[in-house]
Amino acid sequence: GAVVSQHPSWVICKSGTSVKIECRSLDFQATTMFWYRQFPKQSLMLMATSNEGSKATYEQGVEKDKFLINHASLTLSTLTVTSAHPEDSSFYICSAIPGQGDQPQHFGDGTRLSIL
Amino acid sequence: AQSVTQLDSQVPVFEEAPVELRCNYSSSVSVYLFWYVQYPNQGLQLLLKYLSGSTLVESINGFEAEFNKSQTSFHLRKPSVHISDTAEYFCAVSVGAAGNKLTFGGGTRVLVKP
Repeated sequence: GAVVSQHPSWVICKSGTSVKIECRSLDFQATTMFWYRQFPKQSLMLMATSNEGSKATYEQGVEKDKFLINHASLTLSTLTVTSAHPEDSSFYICSAIPGQGDQPQHFGDGTRLSIL
Repeated sequence: AQSVTQLDSQVPVFEEAPVELRCNYSSSVSVYLFWYVQYPNQGLQLLLKYLSGSTLVESINGFEAEFNKSQTSFHLRKPSVHISDTAEYFCAVSVGAAGNKLTFGGGTRVLVKP
């Protein structure tokens, strides 16, 4: 149980385009989801906390207008990288918390974004 | 604020040998502790967690970790590794609740050699 799915798993696009990444909780409802960024051979850095029905909380240094987060339902959060540039290339990972009890985060398989 | 230090960035080990991955944390309040494993080009999988109770926690695939409050450590061990254990391992902490935002260590890459 507690499966988190991300789509797409890989995306390559031209500089200047916007890319949307979806994070879905498949078998549970998630009022809270998290978005992380991971550079090669480095650890995960929290970008933002996504709460269903309200605005996301961004970590210091993360541009809100660059990384748009929408958590419109209890099973879906989306991250849109707007006007992407090569420096936005990275591995993006989401996680979600099952709604009941004191549960740890469950992670998706990540999305590798390459901007040409 | 919390911080997590994984002292070894890379650990080479021969198959069937034991391995220990070290994790130390710093926090002014009580924390929840986790070990996650990441295989290439994949997300993180929860390996084991310490929330409360017994300080020794075990996973189904032979890993164990022991919470040591006095030394602020949560080291991960496995008595006999397999080739399939080759992966990146992350130690992490959260405060207040198990599902609160995580602070990760830098990761330890385990390379199991035949």
